[in-house]
Amino acid sequence: SSELTQDPAVSVALGQTVRITCQGDSLRSYYANWYQQKPGQAPVLVISDGNNRPSGIPDRMSGSSSGITASLTITGAQADDEADYYCNSRDRSGNYLVFGGGTKLTVL
Amino acid sequence: QFQLQESGPGLVRPSETLSLTCSVSGGSVNTYGHYWAWIRQPPGKGLEWIGSVSYTGVTYYSPSLESRITISVDPSKNQFSMTLNSVTVADRAVYYCARRAGGYKGSKFDYWGRGTLVTVSS
Repeated sequence: SSELTQDPAVSVALGQTVRITCQGDSLRSYYANWYQQKPGQAPVLVISDGNNRPSGIPDRMSGSSSGITASLTITGAQADDEADYYCNSRDRSGNYLVFGGGTKLTVL
Repeated sequence: QFQLQESGPGLVRPSETLSLTCSVSGGSVNTYGHYWAWIRQPPGKGLEWIGSVSYTGVTYYSPSLESRITISVDPSKNQFSMTLNSVTVADRAVYYCARRAGGYKGSKFDYWGRGTLVTVSS
């Protein structure tokens, strides 16, 4: 099992707000990054270092963190946001990189 | 435009060695602060970090694969590579190469190749 825990699936109504979470002890010490992956495509970095949006990522995506939980929030979800979302960070030892198990987001 | 491209055989026999190469364009592997990583994803499953290498050749490997994996960098060709020994059907996956950037506290994979599917079968 991964050191970063994500809910397997989350759904949101079109235009509503959804929060996808990632839990792990290492998140007290290290930033979480978030990736969006659509079927048949490589992952794309959407949030880095906890709350930074890379160029080209819509501002409806934001990141936050509290304690052992990091969150990716999508405000005003669009059909195009339907995808798998993965968090990544370091493990508890700090020596290795890990991914969460992924969350499948469905936009209703 | 910065790009990464994986190359290598799509089919490997059980117990043999998987070798993949990632070619970097639009930038150099000889960059302080960047590491070069391999990540894999079995069909229908999640992402797994395999390991990373710096431009100086310093490596970090996933504990679960450390006994079978070697990652190296070739600055003269602007490439980095991985070999995975003694493959089994459990190693069937899409293999991605990626650039790891950021400081120690926030190691992010900011550029990815398109991935290459490797099947293990006799």
